[in-house]
Amino acid sequence: GAVVSQHPSRVICKSGTSVKIECRSLDFQATTMFWYRQFPKQSLMLMATSNEGSKATYEQGVEKDKFLINHASLTLSTLTVTSAHPEDSSFYICSASWEAGGYTFGSGTRLTVV
Amino acid sequence: SQQGEEDPQALSIQEGENATMNCSYKTSINNLQWYRQNSGRGLVHLILIRSNEREKHSGRLRVTLDTSKKSSSLLITASRAADTASYFCATGIRGSTLGRLYFGRGTQLTVWP
Repeated sequence: GAVVSQHPSRVICKSGTSVKIECRSLDFQATTMFWYRQFPKQSLMLMATSNEGSKATYEQGVEKDKFLINHASLTLSTLTVTSAHPEDSSFYICSASWEAGGYTFGSGTRLTVV
Repeated sequence: SQQGEEDPQALSIQEGENATMNCSYKTSINNLQWYRQNSGRGLVHLILIRSNEREKHSGRLRVTLDTSKKSSSLLITASRAADTASYFCATGIRGSTLGRLYFGRGTQLTVWP
């Protein structure tokens, strides 16, 4: 079945630094990838939609300069949290869809900014 | 918001009992899915029901969909302690990008041994 690998699973960084999270489709070409954010005990909120080779579409209220998304190939999308602050601490999850209409989720990244 | 709303927010039952969780949504959908999430972990896809379907079964899971009421329910029969997790419904909105999902707030299920 379709597998999405997300790395790292956990990361702790200092305030002001940047963190890159990778989402890789292992056995299929992901035409579209989605990035979600989840605060403790809350729902998943869609942050942005990225299509290979084009700019990501951000949801209302999501700062595109802070959350940089790159979808340079059909198997890799990255989310970079720039100048991270403690309020950016959250659980980030990616998902990928493919032409046949299916989609699958990565295992998530727990970001803690200290 | 187009997100679904689950109720109850928390459910606590004994092993062997059935657990029922409900989800309501606001707009026309292509499909509705249920996911499970263990604490601090990724999502596990449980079941997908399309807008033209009314009921689906998968093992101990039974999902119903009532598009006239814009609601769905997830029934877990003969629950086990290992079923303890958060359960989310997610809707694929008609006309929206394929794969773009809107999640509800989730139900935290605790099954006591």
